[in-house]
Amino acid sequence: QVQLQESGPGLVKPSETLSLTCTVSGYSISSGYYWGWIRQPPGQGLEWMGSTSHGGGADYNPSLRGRVTISVDTSHNELSLRLRFVTAADTAVYYCGRKGNYAYDYWGPGILVTVSS
Amino acid sequence: DIQMTQSPSSLSASVGDRVTITCRASQSISTYLNWYVQKRGKAPKLLIYSTSNLYSGVPSRFSGSGSGTDFTLTISSLQPEDFATYYCHQTYSSPQTFGQGTRLDI
Repeated sequence: QVQLQESGPGLVKPSETLSLTCTVSGYSISSGYYWGWIRQPPGQGLEWMGSTSHGGGADYNPSLRGRVTISVDTSHNELSLRLRFVTAADTAVYYCGRKGNYAYDYWGPGILVTVSS
Repeated sequence: DIQMTQSPSSLSASVGDRVTITCRASQSISTYLNWYVQKRGKAPKLLIYSTSNLYSGVPSRFSGSGSGTDFTLTISSLQPEDFATYYCHQTYSSPQTFGQGTRLDI
């Protein structure tokens, strides 16, 4: 079955770049659908960060003010997230997900990233 | 951005109760509305997509309805495993947005 798994550092210093990878198994990213990142600050709700497809053309949440890049690596069947100039407000659990025809039908378990010096 | 407002923000209920959660969009989103459930420390799980379509494996006690700006999620008979937080989510326009969540407690 389709599985997603986030990986990356759990601690990032302020003003640095947060980089995460989402490894997809059970489905080839190049076969279709959109792939995105959603985050959740501790004790808060969900925020859509952006998404992309294997064909490129990423769509981002303007609230992230141009700090975010989402891309896919079809050779490794991975999705990546880069968030630049992080602050404490970027501390959150980060989820990757597959957006089927209508909704996010598969999610990774999430990874907590803390921004702190 | 389209704002999604859920009500109530929290709700206390008992096993066997019928529960309705409402989600209101700040503008029309047709039927581009999904519902997820999230348990503490876990990733959200898809319950209903496109307003009223039950996702594979989701029990039939869950149902959704609505269109335009007003949507509801109904649980016909609460089970112990249903006590969790529920989120609505619109994919009508970018940026996609979620409701603030409804916490369902015993």
